[in-house]
Amino acid sequence: ILNVEQSPQSLHVQEGDSTNFTCSFPSSNFYALHWYRWETAKSPEALFVMTLNGDEKKKGRISATLNTKEGYSYLYIKGSQPEDSATYLCASLLISNFGNEKLTFGTGTRLTIIP
Amino acid sequence: DGGITQSPKYLFRKEGQNVTLSCEQNLNHDAMYWYRQDPGQGLRLIYYSQIVNDFQKGDIAEGYSVSREKKESFPLTVTSAQKNPTAFYLCASSKAPRQGPVQETQYFGPGTRLLVL
Repeated sequence: ILNVEQSPQSLHVQEGDSTNFTCSFPSSNFYALHWYRWETAKSPEALFVMTLNGDEKKKGRISATLNTKEGYSYLYIKGSQPEDSATYLCASLLISNFGNEKLTFGTGTRLTIIP
Repeated sequence: DGGITQSPKYLFRKEGQNVTLSCEQNLNHDAMYWYRQDPGQGLRLIYYSQIVNDFQKGDIAEGYSVSREKKESFPLTVTSAQKNPTAFYLCASSKAPRQGPVQETQYFGPGTRLLVL
């Protein structure tokens, strides 16, 4: 079974504080890592796609890093704002035991920013 | 505006009934996908299509059927064989996967919540 795990499941952060959360994936089967932001009542929105070990991507106050050797990615949010409240999904493109590629999603980290 | 639309937002199904969820995109994307979300689980792939008139089963295709007669449209039918259809259904599209392992970013619709009466 190829699992993508996200932690924590949920997180409450004071406005203005910085935070981070984790996505773990099987390193031996890895091809690419996607991060999505999913606000309530809206569609999931793509944040980043990363492929290379050591990759670091940034979009405004949000950044992500990738370690393919140990199988994890961190998403960082600097100076949290209320509009950052959302569920953050990661998805890893993995090779299954049958040799085909599949995008496997984690269960998400639900972030709530407290004003 | 370019994007993906899904309809209806809520759908009620009676026992033994087939229902069809609509998904339309005007992004000129070749690939389209259907996912199901259940509480406490990640999105699971039901079916996907990389080109018109072709589609492949995902991880949980049993009890579902799809068609891809037009590039813009990828409807999903939940058949009476799907014994536990209550879930949130998301449609997505992407550019055609390039040669090699990197998959294109997927663009999602707003979803349809299916409830059984």
